Amino acid sequence: ETGVTQTPRHLVMGMTNKKSLKCEQHLGHNAMYWYKQSAKKPLELMFVYSLEERVENNSVPSRFSPECPNSSHLFLHLHTLQPEDSALYLCASSQSPGGEVDEQFFGPGTRLTVL
Amino acid sequence: AQSVAQPEDQVNVAEGNPLTVKCTYSVSGNPYLFWYVQYPNRGLQFLLKYITGDNLVKGSYGFEAEFNKSQTSFHLKKPSALVSDSALYFCAVREGSASKIIFGSGTRLSIRP
Repeated sequence: ETGVTQTPRHLVMGMTNKKSLKCEQHLGHNAMYWYKQSAKKPLELMFVYSLEERVENNSVPSRFSPECPNSSHLFLHLHTLQPEDSALYLCASSQSPGGEVDEQFFGPGTRLTVL
Repeated sequence: AQSVAQPEDQVNVAEGNPLTVKCTYSVSGNPYLFWYVQYPNRGLQFLLKYITGDNLVKGSYGFEAEFNKSQTSFHLKKPSALVSDSALYFCAVREGSASKIIFGSGTRLSIRP
């Protein structure tokens, strides 16, 4: 519906597992974002990529590792997560970060539960 | 540093009545302001934005927002609420050409029939 898809929609993992979240945008945008949405907390920006180059990294723990192989795909690789990392992880894209036409289009999110 | 505040966790309105969802911001330069809506089990959807120009901005689904520079506010409004407007609403601010948008904590809007 929004042109941004995320898989999987739900993920349950143990603290020793390694998994990856995938995001794909079909809008021809040049910028992609990862956000973390926890209950009763503001939306937290994790990473920003512009033209496949990381331009923002908000002091995210190294157990989260982003990858942007091209302007349409964004991954978030997860390893040795903690229970407090359980949240909704949202991917977004925009035409370009910092430009006037910069409203972001969001995917439906991946609901992550860490046991 | 830029910041945004949504002082109300929840707003309750009867269907057909006007609604207002409040937002105040703080930036050192020119603000770019946004409103997004999130329905259950969905990502955020863009509603409207203010960049420059007319202080009253019209957006999707009949929503509008008024930019008030002196009060550093950007309240979301709708003249007549619908039950289907019930959702979580986020205000966001970006300072000029910065790549980072800061989101507010969200306001849950509940419209009763």
